[in-house]
Amino acid sequence: QQQVRQSPQSLTVWEGETAILNCSYEDSTFNYFPWYQQFPGEGPALLISISSVSDKKEDGRFTIFFNKREKKLSLHITDSQPGDSATYFCAASDKASSSFSKLVFGQGTSLSVVP
Amino acid sequence: EAAVTQSPRNKVAVTGGKVTLSCNQTNNHNNMYWYRQDTGHGLRLIHYSYGAGSTEKGDIPDGYKASRPSQENFSLILELATPSQTSVYFCASGDNWVYEQYFGPGTRLTVL
Repeated sequence: QQQVRQSPQSLTVWEGETAILNCSYEDSTFNYFPWYQQFPGEGPALLISISSVSDKKEDGRFTIFFNKREKKLSLHITDSQPGDSATYFCAASDKASSSFSKLVFGQGTSLSVVP
Repeated sequence: EAAVTQSPRNKVAVTGGKVTLSCNQTNNHNNMYWYRQDTGHGLRLIHYSYGAGSTEKGDIPDGYKASRPSQENFSLILELATPSQTSVYFCASGDNWVYEQYFGPGTRLTVL
């Protein structure tokens, strides 16, 4: 059973548009939500993360919006560039410390940015 | 220079054969992880380790063993490979924060 769900499965936007990637979860104990970016032929790399005490986290063109009540979050990529074309994974854990927790990943959203 | 490396990058194995996937990290991280990536499932945790000599079962450990002989090296072992284990395998390392993991480039395994 998928504890972390992402939608859409694939997304195409024009260069300069804002891409919105969605993520939802079931386990109310989840408190930390990293997003990973993966280019073809490479391993995932941490892009940005948020904890449940915040409702927004911004890093340049990448912003996470978090709604704890609805157990939903979204990654907004503003002014999308062709170099942003990649697969994006939402993940979740209940604790920050690696001694007591594991990451659960969603199934990913494949983003294509068309010039 | 890549901090997490995996070998081999591609592997074709026969059903019933033994397969060993290797991972090396130069991050000096205590924790290491093995995931498999399949379309529609994202990344799923197979085994992980908190340090040399330790291995722990992840969410899908059946059919896999792991070995952590040193801080730098973490191996994934398929004693009797099956076609259902055809996948892309990723190794990762991390330290204090579970949400901050550093991944290798992956190994594509095909079991015929």
